[in-house]
Amino acid sequence: DAKTTQPTSMDCAEGRAANLPCNHSTISGNEYVYWYRQIHSQGPQYIIHGLKNNETNEMASLIITEDRKSSTLILPHATLRDTAVYYCIVRVYFTLSGSARQLTFGSGTQLTVLP
Amino acid sequence: DTEVTQTPKHLVMGMTNKKSLKCEQHMGHRAMYWYKQKAKKPPELMFVYSYEKLSINESVPSRFSPECPNSSLLNLHLHALQPEDSALYLCASSQATSGRSENEQFFGPGTRLTVL
Repeated sequence: DAKTTQPTSMDCAEGRAANLPCNHSTISGNEYVYWYRQIHSQGPQYIIHGLKNNETNEMASLIITEDRKSSTLILPHATLRDTAVYYCIVRVYFTLSGSARQLTFGSGTQLTVLP
Repeated sequence: DTEVTQTPKHLVMGMTNKKSLKCEQHMGHRAMYWYKQKAKKPPELMFVYSYEKLSINESVPSRFSPECPNSSLLNLHLHALQPEDSALYLCASSQATSGRSENEQFFGPGTRLTVL
């Protein structure tokens, strides 16, 4: 799986949009971009994923550049509960056999939402 | 039910003890995973089970012994651990399908293990 690069930490004011960047310049054509987050002392939680189109769900939006070498996770109205480590992961989405697909976590970005 | 449960939540054990961690899911997932997470580090994959068979062992020491007795249960048996094995042990599950799959992994809350 391709490696990702994320800033170590970011702050965001409560109620404002949090924009978390991720660089994945070596991504392959058969790899998706996934975002997970981990609130302190809890298990990681899936947020969103995408291949090449922008995606939105109830939690966040994912913007992927046209060349797919980078992406941005957007939390439109950050709350204190969004304080967590955010992991950007790229992973293959196609296999020939029925198999598990493990996640390889990078260092992630510690997002702190400030009151 | 989209929950992965793990027991116990906390475990303290001596280096000569034998203990087991348990993970359970009822989402019909046929892939289950063990991850280890040290403080302030990202989770690291230990084992992967696919259709109740061990498919990946990331060179984990033999003092960690995984077991998948059925499609809903995953155990991690611990024996003769070292203090450096103290960590948060996370279990996860997902679909295990061929072809194109975007399936997410669902994580449990983890077991906080302390080895004295």
